[in-house]
Parts: sequence; structure tokens; C-alpha cells
Amino acid sequence: GAGVSQSPSNKVTEKGKDVELRCDPISGHTALYWYRQSLGQGLEFLIYFQGNSAPDKSGLPSDRFSAERTGGSVSTLTIQRTQQEDSAVYLCASSPRRGGYQETQYFGPGTRLLVL
Amino acid sequence: QQPVQSPQAVILREGEDAVINCSSSKALYSVHWYRQKHGEAPVFLMILLKGGEQKGHEKISASFNEKKQQSSLYLTASQLSYSGTYFCGTETRAGNNRKLIWGLGTSLAVNP
Repeated sequence: GAGVSQSPSNKVTEKGKDVELRCDPISGHTALYWYRQSLGQGLEFLIYFQGNSAPDKSGLPSDRFSAERTGGSVSTLTIQRTQQEDSAVYLCASSPRRGGYQETQYFGPGTRLLVL
Repeated sequence: QQPVQSPQAVILREGEDAVINCSSSKALYSVHWYRQKHGEAPVFLMILLKGGEQKGHEKISASFNEKKQQSSLYLTASQLSYSGTYFCGTETRAGNNRKLIWGLGTSLAVNP
């Protein structure tokens, strides 16, 4: 079966522009997570969805970041007025059942964002 | 709150063993181990739950000391394919919620 997919795989944008990053989780997975990984750094949690709701969005770094999930499936992470420090790999992961933090997370390949 | 991983980097010859440690300053509900190869997504290795349950690959072993708030990942008879960065994630309580926070990773290189 298909794994987690993300698009675009690479995105180059100019400072100040808005970007949208898309995540397609594994079919049937109810939990979805967004992470950011800067060069040589660990995983920085951004937001977690259970179905269409976000019980934990404490990791969003500023109000320029927002995310939504529709139909319990696809999720979009939007970054408004991008800054150079937003440059990173944005990873999405999904897990099968009730979510929380005690299940295997299946990661997508990531979107590499470069803000010039 | 971020767990501390040690060592930061390891270089092995094929067949050698290594231990990667993960420690937290907070009480842990679970510890997660993932491996990430350069340019690829992290891949699940193991989850260790409070109370002793473990979920993971048969060839991977790890320990979870709840009292010491530590976990160790044991890599024995290392293979070239073990190379990558190993991340631990620790599930802790934050107020009324639980959070999963990741360490900065341990870079492992296995050479022939």
C-alpha cells in the first residue's frame, strides 16, 4: 500500500511569500503529525491532528504558521509571509488508530523549503 | 525538556557493537527510537512503554529504565545498513497533556 506522501518535494520561495505544504497520510490513519527539521537538527514538533481536530498545536512557532485537515485525510500546512529562518525540511507522519504518542509514526519523505 | 542523547556521534567497523543513550529530566510514559538516513524520512525502530511493553523490530533491542528516566538502544554486530542518525523521542506530561519531544540525534557511521 502507499505510504505517506508529501508535496511538493522541494519548494523555493522568496521572503514574504506564502507557501502551502501538503500531506497525504496512509489511508485509514486517524492521527497526523507535522514536524520541522532544520539542517543537522532533530525533529521539532509543530502540530498533531486526531481526525480533523488538532488537540495539540503548541509547536507552531508563530501565528504565521497554520494547518488544517479535511475529511480526516489530507492536511495542509500554511506558512504566511515566509522568513529565511523558515527554511527547513517539513515532515509529516501518520499513525493508525487513536493517535496520542504511543503508536508507530510513519513518516513521509518531507518537503524541503528554501526561503531566499 | 528535550531529551539528551549520547554519544553525539559514533564510528564503528562492521561487526562492532554500540549503545546509544537517551535521558530525560522528566518522568517518561514512553520512549521512541527512529533511524534516519541522509535525505530520507525517519523510520520506526522501537517504542518502549511505561510498564515494560515494547513494540519494535526483532533485531533491535532496547531498554527503558523508568526510575532513571533513561533508555538505551543496543546495536550489536553492526552492519553497513545501520549507518544513519538515531533519534529518541520521549513522551512526557505537560500540564494535563502529554507531549512527544525529540532529541537531537546520534550519528552512527559503520565502515567496512
